[in-house]
Amino acid sequence: KQEVTQIPAALSVPEGENLVLNCSFTDSAIYNLQWFRQDPGKGLTSLLLIQSSQREQTSGRLNASLDKSSGRSTLYIAASQPGDSATYLCAVRNNAGNMLTFGGGTRLMVKP
Amino acid sequence: DGGITQSPKYLFRKEGQNVTLSCEQNLNHDAMYWYRQDPGQGLRLIYYSQIVNDFQKGDIAEGYSVSREKKESFPLTVTSAQKNPTAFYLCASSITISTGLFFGEGSRLTVL
Repeated sequence: KQEVTQIPAALSVPEGENLVLNCSFTDSAIYNLQWFRQDPGKGLTSLLLIQSSQREQTSGRLNASLDKSSGRSTLYIAASQPGDSATYLCAVRNNAGNMLTFGGGTRLMVKP
Repeated sequence: DGGITQSPKYLFRKEGQNVTLSCEQNLNHDAMYWYRQDPGQGLRLIYYSQIVNDFQKGDIAEGYSVSREKKESFPLTVTSAQKNPTAFYLCASSITISTGLFFGEGSRLTVL
């Protein structure tokens, strides 16, 4: 059974720092991996989707990488801003048609 | 604008009552999902539907029911058989069962 872990559970950084959020998964035979952002009391917003054949995806200040062999994905946030404060979740799909397995999330606070 | 609309945003219910949460999407997505989110437990899949008139149980379907009579609608009924219904409920959709998910804003149910 796929297990997805996100460490640390919480992170606080000063504004302007570049930072990396980690996501690890136990079964490397994945179909795709998706990163989400969740603000308090809100739904999830999709940030990036990486297919198993891809190594990375970029959107603005965000860059997500995927290393299937080591069972890891990272979300890199450049020049962090207070508006980036939220919980970031990763989710893994093992096969086409299988459901997503979510990690527990990393709660990020960017201080002005 | 295209998106997923959940209603109501907040709902209070007395014990023993059934309640129905609405989820409507105008993205023309085939697949729709219901998740439950509890503090410290991450997202758990309740039900999903790959196509109209079809739906499957997720990991925690007991005490819940769904229908998929129209492509754009996937209502969730929380029945009195659900032992601990107080939670944040999230609806999502995707183009197919294998593509990235898009979420609504969520419905918070509180049982008094």
